[in-house]
This record gives sequence, structure tokens and C-alpha cells, in this order.
Amino acid sequence: AQKITQTQPGMFVQEKEAVTLDCTYDTSDPSYGLFWYKQPSSGEMIFLIYQGSYDQQNATEGRYSLNFQKARKSANLVISASQLGDSAMYFCAMREGGGGWTGNQFYFGTGTSLTVIP
Amino acid sequence: NAGVTQTPKFRVLKTGQSMTLLCAQDMNHEYMYWYRQDPGMGLRLIHYSVGEGTTAKGEVPDGYNVSRLKKQNFLLGLESAAPSQTSVYFCASRRGTEGYEQYFGPGTRLTVT
Repeated sequence: AQKITQTQPGMFVQEKEAVTLDCTYDTSDPSYGLFWYKQPSSGEMIFLIYQGSYDQQNATEGRYSLNFQKARKSANLVISASQLGDSAMYFCAMREGGGGWTGNQFYFGTGTSLTVIP
Repeated sequence: NAGVTQTPKFRVLKTGQSMTLLCAQDMNHEYMYWYRQDPGMGLRLIHYSVGEGTTAKGEVPDGYNVSRLKKQNFLLGLESAAPSQTSVYFCASRRGTEGYEQYFGPGTRLTVT
């Protein structure tokens, strides 16, 4: 079974609008972490936001917020007020476990390509 | 601070040749990782290390070997390259466990003909 599922291969959003990128995860470990990364066309991977499984509140970082629904095992990324520079691939990732060997394995989804339209 | 650097940036190999990819980080991070990125498949973990002298297999380790003799360096070796190993390879490092994010290198584009 896939550990991370991103069901939207491509998304379009109008500049200045908000957009939600979906991510669902699969784990039976009570301790895990969820990450979102951005990959522009230049190829580098840029960290955006993190949510821990025990965090009570949804994570926010500037225009990025993570809509964490634990019971549904979803960790959707919300980008508010989209900008042209937000056009990129977005990857959801999960780290299972609290530490040690298995706690350092990361699983990535297949990504969502976001295009911001002027 | 250079962050995470990867050498080389591009390489073309013939089937059966060997090569080593070098990853270096100057942030004194404990954890280091090697991924491959293929179209439509996201990033897949090849091997990782939780400290100097340690290595472990990830999701797709076959055909690769790694070594972490020094804390700042993580080497990925291909002993006998195959066309299926054509990919973009990313190295990453991480300060610690729990919420710490990974810092990625710029990637190495490898083509095996």
C-alpha cells in the first residue's frame, strides 16, 4: 500500500486565490511527522511546512497552512493568496516513528503540479 | 555555509560502468539520505545514515551501495550501472529526529546508456 497518496497530478489556480493540495497517508504508528516540499522548475527541493502527529493545532507558515485531519489521515496543504512564483511541483512526505532507524525513513508522494494563472 | 552539495551535477555512463556520487554537508547534521526521483514517482529513498559509520537500506536499495566514513560526507556508489538507474539523485541531510526537516542538495542527473 502507498504510504503517501497525492491524487491531483495537476492543479490550476488564479493568482491571488487560495488553493488546496490533497495528501492522504497510511501508517499504524502513533508517532509520525508530515512535511510538504516545493520543487520549482529549477529542481531544488524547498521545505514548506511540518505537522507532528501529536500537534493539536494545524501548522501555519506565512501563506502556507496544513489542514491536518488525523481521523481521516489527511494532511492537505493550503496556499492562500497564490502568486505566480508558487507555480511548482508540491510533494507531501511522511516520517514514521519517533526516532532511531525506522524513525528516519521518509516516504514521498508522487507530487502535484500547481500552475498559477495570471 | 554551502549547505548540501552534490558532485557531479551531470553524468553519462555506459551500462556496466561504475561511479560514485558525493554528497557533502557543512551543517554538522547527523542524518543523511540518498533519494532517486523518476518522472511520476516522486522521491524514493535508496539508503540513509543516522550517524558517522552507519548506513541503512531504504525503499529501493538494490544496485547501490553507500558509505559514511566522515560525518559530513555520504557517498553513493553504483558498481555496475544499468539503464534502469537513469534518474535524478538527491542527497539530503537533517539535524535531528522528530520535526526537523531535510535539507536537499541540488541533485545529480545521471543517464545510463
